[in-house]
Order: sequence, then structure tokens, then C-alpha cells
Amino acid sequence: QSALTQPASVSGSPGQSITISCTGGSSDVGSYNLVSWYQQHPGEAPKLIIYEVTKRPSGVSNRFSGSKSGDTASLTISGLQAEDDADYYCCSYAGSGSLGVVFGGGTKLTVL
Amino acid sequence: QVQLVESGGGVVQPGRSLRLSCAASGFTFSTYGMHWVRQAPGKGLEWVAVIWNDGNRKYYGDSVKGRLTISRDNSKNTLYLQMNSLRAEDTAVYYCAKPMGVEWFPTQYGMDVWGRGTTVTVSS
Repeated sequence: QSALTQPASVSGSPGQSITISCTGGSSDVGSYNLVSWYQQHPGEAPKLIIYEVTKRPSGVSNRFSGSKSGDTASLTISGLQAEDDADYYCCSYAGSGSLGVVFGGGTKLTVL
Repeated sequence: QVQLVESGGGVVQPGRSLRLSCAASGFTFSTYGMHWVRQAPGKGLEWVAVIWNDGNRKYYGDSVKGRLTISRDNSKNTLYLQMNSLRAEDTAVYYCAKPMGVEWFPTQYGMDVWGRGTTVTVSS
């Protein structure tokens, strides 16, 4: 179960768009449309913002969107707002060899 | 409302044991698999373990296999994590989390409900 690879940090100004990548392998991200994304503010529990690569839970802003190409999933946040300043984690089903879950290392988004 | 509340954390010496609990409410606990996820201070999320809804299947992250045991009591709507032979690197906030659905493997769903976590500190 190797961790998924995310950039350590990204930044953007209010109103801009940013994209966070999440690279796995052919046994996890590349084989299943089962990637989820979580937002975490300091001192709080993670919050699900994207599941099954592209779907948003009820109540999550449509400024958050997900996609996938090959072994890499991506989270895009458009129209950046101050409250988007947080840590973001991707997560994938680890595949039939493991039946577990693997997280990315996390990306700190700074809204300038 | 749907809620998960963890308890049982604390300060424990290396090599000792601790049992965490997660009390579930607001949903039919016995129909859902459940996860434990941990976060070491200043670090990212690490998946710890999952248990199927009936308790018959359990899977663990590589770093905890053989030392941590996940279990559940559906009559009490409670999830557990028995932690043995604790090490300094087990120091973390431990969260329980609920997968979104029940038709597939619980590890195939996003985790839509999280508790606030309970802190475990392993130190002499």
C-alpha cells in the first residue's frame, strides 16, 4: 500500500482556479473510478468533497470538481475563496490485492 | 443526525495497550462497514483498518498489522480499536469514519461521516 503522491503545497489568489494532482498506480487510481477527496481545516475532522472521481456530496460547492486521467486524479477548485485555505487529501480504493484504502500525503492550499 | 463520537484516547507508555471506542448514532450501524483513520501530529491522514458490517472481514494498513485489532458490537452501535504493543509512532489523532454506501466493499466508498477524533500519545 504505497501512498498516493500529491504536491506538498499549492497557492492561488481569490477568484483564481487551482488544480491538485494525485498520482497512484495501475492497481489503484488507474484501475478504479473510486477516488475521493477530503478537505481538512486545522483542528477539524476531514470533510468529504468529492467521491467516485467526479461526484459531489450534497451541500458541497460546485466550485469543487474532480477528474482522472490514467493513474492521476485531480481536484480543481474554481473561484478561490478565503475559506478554501485548507489541507486536501486524495484517497483511493487500493485494489483487489489489498481490499484496503490508500491516502495521498496531502496538499496545503494557501489562498493568498 | 448522523454522528460518530470517539473516546478512549490518552497518554500511554510504549509497549502498553489501549482500546478506543466509536459510538455511532443516527444511522443503521449494523448495515455499514466502518473505518479507523489516524493522523500523526503535523502529518497526513493514514488509513488504519476497516471492518465489514457483520464483523467477519477485517483489513489493516501495513504499519499496524498484528498490533491493532478492529472490532465492533452491533448491539451497542459501537466500533472498537484494540491497540497493543504501542510505539511512539502510533501517536496520533484517531478518527472513525463511515463509508457512504453498503452495496460494494466499504473501502470502495468515500467516507462521508467522521468523528472529531480521539488523541493517543505514546510516551514514557
